[in-house]
Amino acid sequence: AQSVTQLDSQVPVFEEAPVELRCNYSSSVSVYLFWYVQYPNQGLQLLLKYLSGSTLVKGINGFEAEFNKSQTSFHLRKPSVHISDTAEYFCAVSELTGGGNKLTFGTGTQLKVEL
Amino acid sequence: DSGVTQTPKHLITATGQRVTLRCSPRSGDLSVYWYQQSLDQGLQFLIQYYNGEERAKGNILERFSAQQFPDLHSELNLSSLELGDSALYFCASSEAVNSPLHFGNGTRLTVT
Repeated sequence: AQSVTQLDSQVPVFEEAPVELRCNYSSSVSVYLFWYVQYPNQGLQLLLKYLSGSTLVKGINGFEAEFNKSQTSFHLRKPSVHISDTAEYFCAVSELTGGGNKLTFGTGTQLKVEL
Repeated sequence: DSGVTQTPKHLITATGQRVTLRCSPRSGDLSVYWYQQSLDQGLQFLIQYYNGEERAKGNILERFSAQQFPDLHSELNLSSLELGDSALYFCASSEAVNSPLHFGNGTRLTVT
């Protein structure tokens, strides 16, 4: 069975500073990885995805993530954060079996951007 | 706007009751997923349908059931409700089984 670990439940950072949100996964099958963002009182929005190909994936709002197979990691980074990036971020791994898709989420990391 | 519509937005009901949550997927999406989000359990995958057929099952209780209709909308039925069922229930849809999911804004269920 697959699983996702987000080690940091909260990450405080000052505006314009860089940030890295960590994600480690375990999966016994081909890996498809995602980062989603959830703003208060809203659903989850896709930030970026890794399906195959280049290990550096660029997403929306200036975010990027790097797939590292040997370390089973998919950390999310942004070189300079903005107040509007304050939200909860979820890493997820997709398991495709029997014609279905079980997308398993981590416990989330609350990013708090301060002035 | 993700294009996924969930109704109602809020639902307050008593223990032992039964409720139905409704989801309309994005236009063209054949796959529908249901998730439960609570503070103690996080985001839990419940079930997935593809073009009317159940394709994957997660931690869905026997008191819960779902279906996807020919017009592709889906309903999640929760019965014999308990206090612990209070949560945010999300529906998501995707074009194909391995496509990214697009989430609705959720239905907040409060069981009193």
